[in-house]
Amino acid sequence: NAGVTQTPKFQVLKTGQSMTLQCAQDMNHNSMYWYRQDPGMGLRLIYYSASEGTTDKGEVPNGYNVSRLNKREFSLRLESAAPSQTSVYFCASSETGSNQPQHFGDGTRLSIL
Amino acid sequence: QKEVEQNSGPLSVPEGAIASLNCTYSDRGSQSFFWYRQYSGKSPELIMFIYSNGDKEDGRFTAQLNKASQYVSLLIRDSQPSDSATYLCAVNNGRDSSYKLIFGSGTRLLVRP
Repeated sequence: NAGVTQTPKFQVLKTGQSMTLQCAQDMNHNSMYWYRQDPGMGLRLIYYSASEGTTDKGEVPNGYNVSRLNKREFSLRLESAAPSQTSVYFCASSETGSNQPQHFGDGTRLSIL
Repeated sequence: QKEVEQNSGPLSVPEGAIASLNCTYSDRGSQSFFWYRQYSGKSPELIMFIYSNGDKEDGRFTAQLNKASQYVSLLIRDSQPSDSATYLCAVNNGRDSSYKLIFGSGTRLLVRP
């Protein structure tokens, strides 16, 4: 059972470089999410997609863009990386509905020098 | 005031004891409550969810919800060293129809052999 798959698992970038984090789920979930996790800050929502074809900003969207490519895939792009974006990034997915739990991928550890 | 508050810990308990983890939330419209376990360097893993006032038991875990007091807790009976992890409380956003979750910063649990 793959569940939610994130690539890459680790990445080091230089300030100003761009990159795309990939996320794919095989659970046929409608909703997908991108979070970042920093020490002492918990999980903070960057962007989410309630269903295919829709995306919305979360708590900390500045400096990021997303694309819901299809029902399975939801990518996160850093156009011009900054040291403040050094973090662990998690993708999650869920069924439709406010009572549905979210299931997480293994995360991408991103360092920006 | 944070929307979801947890004591950061660490909460240290001896093996075999009951560990009690607490979470308070500010949004009275919240309907769904989740507990995730996160081992160091790993992704959050769902362990319990609860929607109704009262207790819900699953093996060694019991979730307790009191909506009037805006309080949700997780009890772990017969604690084992393998339970040592950070426990995240998550609450759905009751103010809109989205499926977003708001996460607390987590409580670190240490179970001493």
